[in-house]
Amino acid sequence: KQEVTQIPAALSVPEGENLVLNCSFTDSAIYNLQWFRQDPGKGLTSLLLIQSSQREQTSGRLNASLDKSSGRSTLYIAASQPGDSATYLCAVQLDSNYQLIWGAGTKLIIKP
Amino acid sequence: NAGVTQTPKFQVLKTGQSMTLQCAQDMNHEYMSWYRQDPGMGLRLIHYSVGAGITDQGEVPNGYNVSRSTTEDFPLRLLSAAPSQTSVYFCASSPDRLPYNEQFFGPGTRLTVL
Repeated sequence: KQEVTQIPAALSVPEGENLVLNCSFTDSAIYNLQWFRQDPGKGLTSLLLIQSSQREQTSGRLNASLDKSSGRSTLYIAASQPGDSATYLCAVQLDSNYQLIWGAGTKLIIKP
Repeated sequence: NAGVTQTPKFQVLKTGQSMTLQCAQDMNHEYMSWYRQDPGMGLRLIHYSVGAGITDQGEVPNGYNVSRSTTEDFPLRLLSAAPSQTSVYFCASSPDRLPYNEQFFGPGTRLTVL
């Protein structure tokens, strides 16, 4: 059974720092891996989607990598800003039925 | 486009009461789904639909019913609410019959069952 883990559960860093969020999964048979952002009281916003054949995707200050063989993905945030404070969720989409299996998220706080 | 909308935003129920969480999308998406999010856990799929008239169970369907009479609407019904159903509920949609790519999420409904 696919399981997705995100460590740490919470992270607090000063503004301006570069940081890495981690996501690991147990079964490499995935269709894609997705990173989402969740703001309090709001829905989920898709940040990056990496197809299983890809190694990384970039959007602005965000870069996500995927290593299927080791069951790992990282989300790199460059030059962090207070507006980046949110919970970041990782989800893998199963190859078999396209359902999403979610991690519990990393709550990120960027201190001004 | 309004995207995916959910009502109500907040709801408090007593054990045993019934209610319907509403979800609508105006993007003509085929695939719609309901998730619940509990503290310290990832989102879990409750029910999904690959088109009007077609629904199926997800990972945690017990205690919930759904129907899909139109492409736009996908309501989630709690027939007899239990405290274990206290959670945040998200509705999502995707353009194709299967969620091959990006899913679009509603703002969520925070439900408390006393």
